[in-house]
Amino acid sequence: DQQVKQNSPSLSVQEGRISILNCDYTNSMFDYFLWYKKYPAEGPTFLISISSIKDKNEDGRFTVFLNKSAKHLSLHIVPSQPGDSAVYFCAASGIQGAQKLVFGQGTRLTINP
Amino acid sequence: ETGVTQSPTHLIKTRGQQVTLRCSSQSGHNTVSWYQQALGQGPQFIFQYYREEENGRGNFPPRFSGLQFPNYSSELNVNALELDDSALYLCASSARTSGETQYFGPGTRLLVL
Repeated sequence: DQQVKQNSPSLSVQEGRISILNCDYTNSMFDYFLWYKKYPAEGPTFLISISSIKDKNEDGRFTVFLNKSAKHLSLHIVPSQPGDSAVYFCAASGIQGAQKLVFGQGTRLTINP
Repeated sequence: ETGVTQSPTHLIKTRGQQVTLRCSSQSGHNTVSWYQQALGQGPQFIFQYYREEENGRGNFPPRFSGLQFPNYSSELNVNALELDDSALYLCASSARTSGETQYFGPGTRLLVL
């Protein structure tokens, strides 16, 4: 049972344009959501997070939106840069008990010059 | 501030052998979580350690075990290795057991032949 889903395995965007990565979840007990970026041969790097009491969080070029009623979150990158090319994972957890992060399958983002 | 480190970076074992992977947490972090990432998948939670005790476990058999030491570093031990154990093993540290961002190390790539 895949509780966190990233339905797009890959996404290609032109440099300077907006990249939008999507993630859906099924467990209504999740209340903390994170996005990680991963380069080959490296561990995931934390990008941005959002708790369920918010619907938007911004950090520089990165903005995460949370729609709790739709159980959907998205990551917007504006403007997209070549260094943003990587695999992006969304992850979810609850605040009760051990913080087990449940990850999606990842979306490979390619920024074209 | 030192980030999360893991050793070794790569490892080749044969089926039936045992393996120990090591992780040093980021300074100031007292919680360590371990994840297994198979090729093309998102990381999957193995277990979490806090104050030298297991604090939550994912859907992994007992041959996956761990330790946490007083300095918060940690080991992951896998007995009776199977071919399907071939994966990237990731360690993440955080300042609390829940509601806190986890920061990942570079991982150990294990190949079981």
